[in-house]
Amino acid sequence: EIVLTQSPATLSLSPGQRATLSCRASQSVGRDFLAWFQQRPGQPPRLLIHGTSTRATGIPDRFSGDGSVTEFTLTISRLEPEDFAVYFCYQYGFTPPRSFGGGTTVEMK
Amino acid sequence: QAQLQESGPGLVKPSQTLSLTCTVSGDSMTRGSYYWNWIRQSPGRGLEWLAYIYYSGSTYYNPSLESRLSISADTSKNRFSLTLTSLSAADTAVYYCARAPSTGSSPGAFDLWGNGTLVTVSS
Repeated sequence: EIVLTQSPATLSLSPGQRATLSCRASQSVGRDFLAWFQQRPGQPPRLLIHGTSTRATGIPDRFSGDGSVTEFTLTISRLEPEDFAVYFCYQYGFTPPRSFGGGTTVEMK
Repeated sequence: QAQLQESGPGLVKPSQTLSLTCTVSGDSMTRGSYYWNWIRQSPGRGLEWLAYIYYSGSTYYNPSLESRLSISADTSKNRFSLTLTSLSAADTAVYYCARAPSTGSSPGAFDLWGNGTLVTVSS
């Protein structure tokens, strides 16, 4: 099973600042098979990025993803108030089972 | 616009069987472009993918839970269901159904989620 480790656990930032979230995989994950989700309190996760860097429908361009092999990042270029939430990475490659990271909380400083 | 809605009991006793249903509206499960999934989330285990079913009827389970899981679909009612046996407190979680587009040979990332249903396992 591929284990995804996200860091940091919590990121304390102010609106307008840049956020960089990390997701490290225990084994190689193909670029086509890494996604990021945002989850606000009381809501289900929302797909932000799939295929490492492709934004999902309706996702603003301040969200971007990059990475390869075992190291992936989600960057939020300028934090808006609605971006303070929990973010999860997820791998859906051919090595079962599909797995999620433990999450990074982006909180307002 | 497609929507997913979970339904099921909020409270189940240990050792019993959980049955959940996800009703799909605004889309047809048989359109052939999507995999239909169950995922759960708990403070202790985080997000955990459980199982999927394809419109063709093919299924796939999380190997760690496969012996206790069963997923099925009733395409005439546009809904799919999950059964989880031998429940324990560790199965207490919010259970989500979710749609994943086909990447050609396997599911992609989940692009549509239900709101989730909290299941508590307690006597």
